[in-house]
Amino acid sequence: EVQLVESGGGLVQPGGSLRLSCAASGFTFSSYSMHWVRQAPGKGLEWVSYISSSSSTIYYADSVKGRFTVSRDNAKNSLYLQMNSLRDEDTAVYYCAPTRVVSGNKDVWGQGTTVTVSS
Amino acid sequence: NFMLTQPHSVSESPGKTVTISCTGSSGSIASNYVQWYQQRPGSAPTTVIYEDNQRPSGVPDRFSGSIDSSSNSASLTISGLKTEDEADYYCQSYDSSNRGVFGGGTKLTVL
Repeated sequence: EVQLVESGGGLVQPGGSLRLSCAASGFTFSSYSMHWVRQAPGKGLEWVSYISSSSSTIYYADSVKGRFTVSRDNAKNSLYLQMNSLRDEDTAVYYCAPTRVVSGNKDVWGQGTTVTVSS
Repeated sequence: NFMLTQPHSVSESPGKTVTISCTGSSGSIASNYVQWYQQRPGSAPTTVIYEDNQRPSGVPDRFSGSIDSSSNSASLTISGLKTEDEADYYCQSYDSSNRGVFGGGTKLTVL
C-alpha cells in the first residue's frame, strides 16, 4: 500500500521553530520529486515548497522563502520541512505529496500534520 | 505573479454534468501540466486529474480534464453527478519559475 505519513506538527510561539517529517512507504520514494502544501483554517490549498528526487532542485513560495528549508533522506524514505521564524499566518495543516502519481498510476497524499503558531 | 482563477462555487443536480474552469492570469496555461484535486470536508486532498487529462487508478471515467489554449483555461468536467462528488475542487499548475500555484478552489454542491 502506498502511504505518506506526516508528523512533527504542534503548537509553537511566534518566532519559534518546528521540523515536519513525511515518511513514505509502498513506492520508490527516491524516484519522485515532492511537494509540501498547506491549508490554513477555512482557506484553500497553498503550495509551499518543491524538492527534486535527488535534492538538486528546490523551490519555495515567496511567503516562506528564507524561513523554511526542505530536505529529504532517500535512504530513510523521508521528507522534511524545517520551519523557522514562524508567524501566525503559518498556522495550517501541512501535507506532503509527490509531484505526480506513483508507479501503478496511484495517487498518494499524506493525512496532514497541524501547525499552530500562537502565543 | 501567475494566478489561477476558479469560480467560487457551482451547483448541479444528480445525474447532470458540471464543468469547473481554471483560468491562467498570464502566459500560456498549456506551458505546464494542470492537475485537479478533490477535497472532502475534513479530509486530505486526492488527485482526480493529473497532466491535464489523466486519471489516477480508481478515479471513475466520469471525471475528465481538458485545456483550451484560446481562453487560457483548464476545465474539469464531471458527468453523471453523484452526491458523493460534492467537495471542493482545486486546480494546480506551475509558474514560469517552476513554483507551484493553486487556484482558489471551487465548492461543488450536488443537490
